[in-house]
Amino acid sequence: DAGVIQSPRHEVTEMGQEVTLRCKPISGHNSLFWYRQTMMRGLELLIYFNNNVPIDDSGMPEDRFSAKMPNASFSTLKIQPSEPRDSAVYFCASRSQGGVNTEAFFGQGTRLTVV
Amino acid sequence: DAKTTQPPSMDCAEGRAANLPCNHSTISGNEYVYWYRQIHSQGPQYIIHGLKNNETNEMASLIITEDRKSSTLILPHATLRDTAVYYCIVRVERAGANSKLTFGKGITLSVRP
Repeated sequence: DAGVIQSPRHEVTEMGQEVTLRCKPISGHNSLFWYRQTMMRGLELLIYFNNNVPIDDSGMPEDRFSAKMPNASFSTLKIQPSEPRDSAVYFCASRSQGGVNTEAFFGQGTRLTVV
Repeated sequence: DAKTTQPPSMDCAEGRAANLPCNHSTISGNEYVYWYRQIHSQGPQYIIHGLKNNETNEMASLIITEDRKSSTLILPHATLRDTAVYYCIVRVERAGANSKLTFGKGITLSVRP
């Protein structure tokens, strides 16, 4: 398996533009997590899905952020409109819910810069 | 999930054992101890986890105290590539359910030549 695949790897956009980050989880994994990492705040969990259903979105900073998981093999995180303070590395992770103590696998991240 | 406390940083010499401590004094009986690490510019990577017994795998060993209030991750022969931020996390696990993985600040390990 190629692991968790995120795209794009780097994104530079102007303030006010819409940004869409994409994630393909590992095949067979039914839990998906979106994280944001900055120097100031570290790794923050934004939202996670079980079986394509959002379970906990309490980490989503505000209404400008939205996440979807239309099927088991694809998820998006959208920021509209983007602001400079959204600049961060965004990670997606997936995990199998099938047993106890299964590890989470992370993608390589998308580095977002909003200017 | 219980809170963990780790020192902000430590270093060790290449080839020596690196012992990374973690305090989790409020851990409950059904919470597991997990360790992940993050090498610069990469996503976090799972290392090892345990409940009560000490655990060992190809990457590291995990020593959990008898009262489970603290643990130590041991990298037996540290290399320069082990320089990373190491996160100690405690979480509840239930078969068929899921729980979120919450990261703290971690400990930055610097392996010197």
